[in-house]
Amino acid sequence: GIQVEQSPPDLILQEGANSTLRCNFSDSVNNLQWFHQNPWGQLINLFYIPSGTKQNGRLSATTVATERYSLLYISSSQTTDSGVYFCAVSSGANSKLTFGKGITLSVRP
Amino acid sequence: GAGVSQSPSNKVTEKGKDVELRCDPISGHTALYWYRQSLGQGLEFLIYFQGNSAPDKSGLPSDRFSAERTGGSVSTLTIQRTQQEDSAVYLCASSDTYEQFFGPGTRLTVL
Repeated sequence: GIQVEQSPPDLILQEGANSTLRCNFSDSVNNLQWFHQNPWGQLINLFYIPSGTKQNGRLSATTVATERYSLLYISSSQTTDSGVYFCAVSSGANSKLTFGKGITLSVRP
Repeated sequence: GAGVSQSPSNKVTEKGKDVELRCDPISGHTALYWYRQSLGQGLEFLIYFQGNSAPDKSGLPSDRFSAERTGGSVSTLTIQRTQQEDSAVYLCASSDTYEQFFGPGTRLTVL
């Protein structure tokens, strides 16, 4: 099956800093989603982005499908951005999501 | 509108007992998925329902796990003869196209 790797596994930032989170995948995809898991465990949808670039406030994402990677950018980070960020993909006829191991982000005041 | 809801939010059970977990998808979504999140295994797919098609059960870890989706809406995940390794957060998601939306999960603890 498709493999998903996220990097770095952990990230510590000072409030106000910018960051880039990376997701590599091993096959062509028909779905790629970025999620933020909040402290209560809820998966919050950030982006549905199998290709191209999207922006939502301080967050933006780019997927380069031909090179099999996606990047999530967080600008002017806030303490509320802390948590685990997951990349998940599906490929081919199967729509089930395969998740990466996640990136744990800590934003310090 | 309302998101995906799951019940109960927490369930503590004794080893060997059966448990039922419920998922109410977003109204109108034809696809429904179950995943689980455990410390050792991360987030993993369990089962997928699409409309009236036969479900994709390829992620179920053993025959103690089963799921139903009645009337194309509500789904129940049943775990028989629970084991300690079944302890995890069970997440339900629904979609009408590709993008999936997740419920808050049910935290299952098997003592």
